[in-house]
Amino acid sequence: GQQVMQIPQYQHVQEGEDFTTYCNSSTTLSNIQWYKQRPGGHPVFLIQLVKSGEVKKQKRLTFQFGEAKKNSSLHITATQTTDVGTYFCAGPGTGGFKTIFGAGTRLFVKA
Amino acid sequence: DAGVTQSPTHLIKTRGQQVTLRCSPKSGHDTVSWYQQALGQGPQFIFQYYEEEERQRGNFPDRFSGHQFPNYSSELNVNALLLGDSALYLCASSLMAGGSTDTQYFGPGTRLTVL
Repeated sequence: GQQVMQIPQYQHVQEGEDFTTYCNSSTTLSNIQWYKQRPGGHPVFLIQLVKSGEVKKQKRLTFQFGEAKKNSSLHITATQTTDVGTYFCAGPGTGGFKTIFGAGTRLFVKA
Repeated sequence: DAGVTQSPTHLIKTRGQQVTLRCSPKSGHDTVSWYQQALGQGPQFIFQYYEEEERQRGNFPDRFSGHQFPNYSSELNVNALLLGDSALYLCASSLMAGGSTDTQYFGPGTRLTVL
């Protein structure tokens, strides 16, 4: 069945270091969404990418959607302790109304 | 502007029991989706409700059922609870404008523990 995979599963960084998480879909996606979930919290929508090759920035966060619309990445420049949490990518599933989430990348930031 | 609310926040049940979880969508939203999130995993789509009908269902057994009311609030019912049903149950609301491409706003979730 349709799958969305993320790597790495977790990453430990020193505050100030960069961080990147990668997302790969088994099928072509019409769009991809990114969410952040703080420990003990719920997923919070960050951004949606729609166009092939699209790049969007939110302050220190850079999101990319691959040319084939099957992969995406999230890059954080100069991590801060407030960046701690799990980052999920998600895309539309077959049938049009469901959303399929990756397993997430958990980011640990050491001050 | 109230966001998505869910009740209860925590629940402990025993195997075989039944549970009902409740969700009120963000003001102005008409679509509610339910997800199950096991520890260390991403949310898994259970089903979506729009206009009081189940619009799409994920890979969950019939023990999982739901309902949407005229005020757009929703309930998730799980019968014959199993230990494996222990998880965080998330409700997400959105405004119907093409289905799964809508921005979803998640509630705080209900933590269900089955003993």
